Amino acid sequence: SQTIHQWPATLVQPVGSPLSLECTVEGTSNPNLYWYRQAAGRGLQLLFYSVGIGQISSEVPQNLSASRPQDRQFILSSKKLLLSDSGFYLCAWSKIGSDRDFGPGTRLLVL
Amino acid sequence: KNEVEQSPQNLTAQEGEFITINCSYSVGISALHWLQQHPGGGIVSLFMLSSGKKKHGRLIATINIQEKHSSLHITASHPRDSAVYICAVLVTGGTSYGKLTFGQGTILTVHP
Repeated sequence: SQTIHQWPATLVQPVGSPLSLECTVEGTSNPNLYWYRQAAGRGLQLLFYSVGIGQISSEVPQNLSASRPQDRQFILSSKKLLLSDSGFYLCAWSKIGSDRDFGPGTRLLVL
Repeated sequence: KNEVEQSPQNLTAQEGEFITINCSYSVGISALHWLQQHPGGGIVSLFMLSSGKKKHGRLIATINIQEKHSSLHITASHPRDSAVYICAVLVTGGTSYGKLTFGQGTILTVHP
């Protein structure tokens, strides 16, 4: 069966500091991978998606970037965090015709 | 207007009640997801539907493609059902990467 991991679970960072969130998927190959953000009191927003190694598409302009160095690894990064980057970050994977599986999420608080 | 609208936004019920959450969408879709988000934040996919009806335990999801409407029903509700329920659609056309468009969520609270 497939499993999706995210870490860290919770993160408190000062404004201007860098960020690296990691997501890994087990039990499948060549999945589509997604990063979502849920700001406080708001719905889920797609930030990035990837259909293969090194292939990243951005949905919204922002202070964040994503990379996919390996087939089942998806990384969300920032060089300098902003207060508005606070939120709940979810990684997800899917394959065509299959259901969507979400990771446990990372709660980020930027102070 | 959002492409995916859920109603109600907030729902309070007593334990044992039958609950219905509705989702309407305005775009062509290839599938619709019902997701559950607990207070800790983690999201679980409950159903993926492209037609008809699916049942899992006390949960039932239906979809009417012609009317562009889906419902999530919970029978014999329990306090542990308290969560945010999110409708999300997989829009047809464009790329095949499976981008979901989300509703705003329905906050369900079930009191004992």
